[in-house]
Amino acid sequence: EPEVTQTPSHQVTQMGQEVILRCVPISNHLYFYWYRQILGQKVEFLVSFYNNEISEKSEIFDDQFSVERPDGSNFTLKIRSTKLEDSAMYFCASSVDRGRGYGYTFGSGTRLTVV
Amino acid sequence: RKEVEQDPGPFNVPEGATVAFNCTYSNSASQSFFWYRQDCRKEPKLLMSVYSSGNEDGRFTAQLNRASQYISLLIRDSKLSDSATYLCVVNRRGYSTLTFGKGTMLLVSP
Repeated sequence: EPEVTQTPSHQVTQMGQEVILRCVPISNHLYFYWYRQILGQKVEFLVSFYNNEISEKSEIFDDQFSVERPDGSNFTLKIRSTKLEDSAMYFCASSVDRGRGYGYTFGSGTRLTVV
Repeated sequence: RKEVEQDPGPFNVPEGATVAFNCTYSNSASQSFFWYRQDCRKEPKLLMSVYSSGNEDGRFTAQLNRASQYISLLIRDSKLSDSATYLCVVNRRGYSTLTFGKGTMLLVSP
């Protein structure tokens, strides 16, 4: 079964440092997403990406965050200057069909710890 | 009001029990509805989509009441392996994003 692959599985970083979280979506999927889940909280949408541009973003996705698809296979989330409150599990997802929410596959996540 | 609200749980039930989860959503523009399952510190995984007429998948039955903006999940004959957090998830018309409830934890004991 096709998978969404995320690396690293766990990243520890110092406050103020930049981090890049990496994802390889399923190859025939066209829509890519980042979600995050703070420990004990709900899963929250950050951003969606289609056709090499952001299609939607939430209030959480401020200027400290950016996404790109640098080489046609990887999909990355960059946090420029991490804060303690950025500590969370970050899930990448992809889907073949935009709209209606069907066909999502989530990656196993990157646990980001900001110290 | 939270966009998707669920019973806080946890639900502790013995094997073989029937358990029901409830969920309400606030946005009347919601068009698609799902139940996801999340094991501890793992990614959400789709359990089943929820259709207006109600639908069943083995021991799992989902119901949707659009007028009341209410979704339910019934699990019959609970197994130990059903222990997980069950997430109510909705999608808003015109958007590809998913809005998650906080989830209800289920613990099935021998």
